[in-house]
Amino acid sequence: GIQVEQSPPDLILQEGANSTLRCNFSDSVNNLQWFHQNPWGQLINLFYIPSGTKQNGRLSATTVATERYSLLYISSSQTTDSGVYFCAGNDYKLSFGAGTTVTVRA
Amino acid sequence: DSGVTQTPKHLITATGQRVTLRCSPRSGDLSVYWYQQSLDQGLQFLIHYYNGEERAKGNILERFSAQQFPDLHSELNLSSLELGDSALYFCASSVHSGGRPTDTQYFGPGTRLTVL
Repeated sequence: GIQVEQSPPDLILQEGANSTLRCNFSDSVNNLQWFHQNPWGQLINLFYIPSGTKQNGRLSATTVATERYSLLYISSSQTTDSGVYFCAGNDYKLSFGAGTTVTVRA
Repeated sequence: DSGVTQTPKHLITATGQRVTLRCSPRSGDLSVYWYQQSLDQGLQFLIHYYNGEERAKGNILERFSAQQFPDLHSELNLSSLELGDSALYFCASSVHSGGRPTDTQYFGPGTRLTVL
């Protein structure tokens, strides 16, 4: 099956800082999503982005499908951004990366 | 709120027992997916149902089974439970409108299963 690699595994930020999370895929994907898992375990959809760039408030994402990677940008981070960020892809059988654990300190 | 509901939120049971997890998809969604999140395996796809029919299986154990009912809700049955089955079980749904199933999947809040 498809392999999904996320980097970095951990990220500690000061409130107000910007950051970039990366997701690499071992093969082309047709369904690429970014999620935020909050401290209560809930998986929240951030983006459905098989290609191109999207923005939603302080978050944006870019997928370069031909090079099999996607980036998630967090700008002006807030403590509520803490949690684990997952990317997942591959048709309907979503294959998840191991996640990036983000800790935003006040 | 994704619109996907799962019950129960928490479940504590003993080894060897059988449990049923329930999922109601978003209104209008025909596809239901089950995923397992454990500390050692991460998030893994288990099984996909579309409009009552099984469409794909992932790393689902033979002790586990699922079904999707005519009203589109789904149940995941876990039997002969082992300690290693302790995990967070998610249900997701999508529209799955014809052609390739590349719709956004929306996840429910999960059922946290603890096997003692």
